[in-house]
Amino acid sequence: DAGVIQSPRHEVTEMGQEVTLRCKPISGHDYLFWYRQTMMRGLELLIYFNNNVPIDDSGMPEDRFSAKMPNASFSTLKIQPSEPRDSAVYFCASTLRTTNTGELFFGEGSRLTVL
Amino acid sequence: TQLLEQSPQFLSIQEGENLTVYCNSSSVFSSLQWYRQEPGEGPVLLVTVVTGGEVKKLKRLTFQFGDARKDSSLHITAAQPGDTGLYLCAGAFDWTGNQFYFGTGTSLTVIP
Repeated sequence: DAGVIQSPRHEVTEMGQEVTLRCKPISGHDYLFWYRQTMMRGLELLIYFNNNVPIDDSGMPEDRFSAKMPNASFSTLKIQPSEPRDSAVYFCASTLRTTNTGELFFGEGSRLTVL
Repeated sequence: TQLLEQSPQFLSIQEGENLTVYCNSSSVFSSLQWYRQEPGEGPVLLVTVVTGGEVKKLKRLTFQFGDARKDSSLHITAAQPGDTGLYLCAGAFDWTGNQFYFGTGTSLTVIP
């Protein structure tokens, strides 16, 4: 069974450009999370969805960040305009909430570098 | 301020040595998880603990949840190079909230 799939794996862009990161969760999972990982701040939750509906976006750093989940098999995280401080690894994770372990299944991440 | 503080931040040991990693908070959690992350990959769940004082073993790894459910430890016996990675603890306040807050991480290197 395929895991969480993220694209692109690596993105290098210039300040001011729009960046779109993509995620395909594990089929049947009803929760999807976007995290950002940096050396300084560790793994931070940006936003999560339940059944395609955004539940909590309080972790989104500012209005330059937006996330959508148009259907159960696809989500995007968009940064517009991008800034050098947005450089990080962005992870998507999904889970099936009917289990009480709450195991998060992570993708391999998208490494973003903003010059 | 981080909700979960892990110590040490970095650890480099020789193969065969024992080690303990700590995850501390002033908050009470309903459950706590430990993940391991290898370079270029996402974190992978190792264990979930839900009861204060609970101890779980996974081969050479022993996980303990503090009695007050505010802290946890991970002990590795006879470390192997394959144990190298970033160890992350993550706490949840309740099952309905569904938000896991991750610790700062401990980067472990086991030297052959």
